[in-house]
Amino acid sequence: DARVTQTPRHKVTEMGQEVTMRCQPILGHNTVFWYRQTMMQGLELLAYFRNRAPLDDSGMPKDRFSAEMPDATLATLKIQPSEPRDSAVYFCASGSYSAEAFFGQGTRLTVV
Amino acid sequence: SQQGEEDPQALSIQEGENATMNCSYKTSINNLQWYRQNSGRGLVHLILIRSNEREKHSGRLRVTLDTSKKSSSLLITASRAADTASYFCATDPIETGFQKLVFGTGTRLLVSP
Repeated sequence: DARVTQTPRHKVTEMGQEVTMRCQPILGHNTVFWYRQTMMQGLELLAYFRNRAPLDDSGMPKDRFSAEMPDATLATLKIQPSEPRDSAVYFCASGSYSAEAFFGQGTRLTVV
Repeated sequence: SQQGEEDPQALSIQEGENATMNCSYKTSINNLQWYRQNSGRGLVHLILIRSNEREKHSGRLRVTLDTSKKSSSLLITASRAADTASYFCATDPIETGFQKLVFGTGTRLLVSP
């Protein structure tokens, strides 16, 4: 049963610390999305990749966030330094062109 | 920025009733998708409708798309308590030239037994 795997599921960290979230997309999918979900802003698209190349990261705060796909089986989202306002649930999703996206279970990040 | 807005924000009905949720969006699209999210979980794809389609069915789900009005509706017939969840529409805007799923604000559906 193919699924998108995100780690960690929960992360509590202190302000100023680096946070790395990982995502294993479904094998064969060529598109990877990173979303952030909060009560206030809803689901925000942070970045997305096609065939490992970043297509759009305009939704991401550039000064502290970075997203990469070092290989086809791993996508990472890093926050350095983290701030309390970064507290949210971060979702990774993968898919193929013009088709449905499959979501991971998310990483719940709390920055204190 | 969000492309779509769902209406209503929240909907409370009894089991067996039909639930209708609406989505409005801003720019021309390749397709529109509906997703469901149970509390604390990831989103699950329900149905995709392409810009050249007007209506689509899947089980108890019926989706319509009106590109002239930039709107879509999701109808869940004979609702069940297990349908309680948040429902989101997501659009794939043409302007980007490639798939980019932008989500709306969501409708929280509560189905009471």
